Amino acid sequence: DILMTQSPSSLSASIGDRVTITCRASQDIGTYLNWYQQRPGEAPRLLIYATSDLQSGVPSRFSGGGSGTDFTLTISSLQPEDFATYYCQQSFNNIVEFGQGTKVE
Amino acid sequence: QLQLQESGPGLVKSSETLSLTCSVSGGSISRSNYYWGWIRQPPGKGLEWIGSIYYSGNTNYNPSLKSRVTMSVDTSKNQFSLTLNSVTAADTAVYYCAFETRRHYYRWFGPWGLGALVTVSS
Repeated sequence: DILMTQSPSSLSASIGDRVTITCRASQDIGTYLNWYQQRPGEAPRLLIYATSDLQSGVPSRFSGGGSGTDFTLTISSLQPEDFATYYCQQSFNNIVEFGQGTKVE
Repeated sequence: QLQLQESGPGLVKSSETLSLTCSVSGGSISRSNYYWGWIRQPPGKGLEWIGSIYYSGNTNYNPSLKSRVTMSVDTSKNQFSLTLNSVTAADTAVYYCAFETRRHYYRWFGPWGLGALVTVSS
């Protein structure tokens, strides 16, 4: 299995802050990495696929980067609706695995 | 615009079988290159992929659940289904169905259904 580890597990931020979340894979997964946002009481929502491609309708303040084992999700200027939990997800070996989540509060 | 909605019993007894159905609207479940997935989330915890299915019936399951999972598609009803056998309290979760996009080895999920809470009772 490929272990996906997100850091930090939670973070405290303020409106307008630049926020970066990291996802580390236990082995090289190329760019097979996606990011989701989950607000309390809601289903997850796809933000970024294939490491850096922004899903349609997602604000441009969200961006993704990385390759191999280290990936980042960046929110350039945190907005009130961005307080949520964020998950990374890999699909390198035909098994889908999620990170444990990062709560932005 | 694809929309998905889960349905099924909200309470299942321990050792019995969990069954859920996902109804798809806004598109045909049997369209080429359309895949469909199930993901679950125990209360207060993270996401766990259960498995995925193509309209032809080809499946891809999480190895950790494979021995207990069966997925199927009903193209006439534009629905796909999940059954999980021999459930325990650890299977208590919100179960989501989702549309899965695949491009080579890239796989991602969206949109998602609203989710269905299934509680396993003793």
